[in-house]
Amino acid sequence: NAGVTQTPKFRVLKTGQSMTLLCAQDMNHEYMYWYRQDPGMGLRLIHYSVGEGTTAKGEVPDGYNVSRLKKQNFLLGLESAAPSQTSVYFCASSYGARQETQYFGPGTRLLVL
Amino acid sequence: GEDVEQSLFLSVREGDSSVINCTYTDSSSTYLYWYKQEPGAGLQLLTYIFSNMDMKQDQRLTVLLNKKDKHLSLRIADTQTGDSAIYFCAEATGGFKTIFGAGTRLFVKA
Repeated sequence: NAGVTQTPKFRVLKTGQSMTLLCAQDMNHEYMYWYRQDPGMGLRLIHYSVGEGTTAKGEVPDGYNVSRLKKQNFLLGLESAAPSQTSVYFCASSYGARQETQYFGPGTRLLVL
Repeated sequence: GEDVEQSLFLSVREGDSSVINCTYTDSSSTYLYWYKQEPGAGLQLLTYIFSNMDMKQDQRLTVLLNKKDKHLSLRIADTQTGDSAIYFCAEATGGFKTIFGAGTRLFVKA
């Protein structure tokens, strides 16, 4: 039981390049989330999903897209990376909407030059 | 708007108690949480409290909630070097929205 895993752990991109961050969970959770963490700030919700095939915008969705084709996977895409997207990205999942049970992945550190 | 504020740094000696404070603005919060983040890792839920409770105790952890002042605190008794981490206060404001504070970095001196 690996919990929530994220790949890659670290990535450097040039401005304008694209990439996809993968989140996988093996706990059969319905809800999945993508957050970004910036220095001196709390986590901010980018997008979330309440089940396979569904996605919704969070607090800071601009510049990102997501897909939830399989229940266990939640992908975060950057179509044209910008330096402002330099951040640490965390994926989380939960069984239900009661958010006291969110489980977090180890994070992906992204640097956009 | 909704906001969660906490001090950024706390230093204590091993064996002392640590108290991390947090204030929030949304009076309709349903759950309030404390998460712990160790270096290079994701957030781990430490404990949470329902908004209709005043206190919750879990082994070395005590959470106090003052709804009137919108103040939440986390007390760690007998603080150990392994408790050194960043502690995030967060509130659930309904639906899927959780507002996180910027985190308090706890440094435990041996």
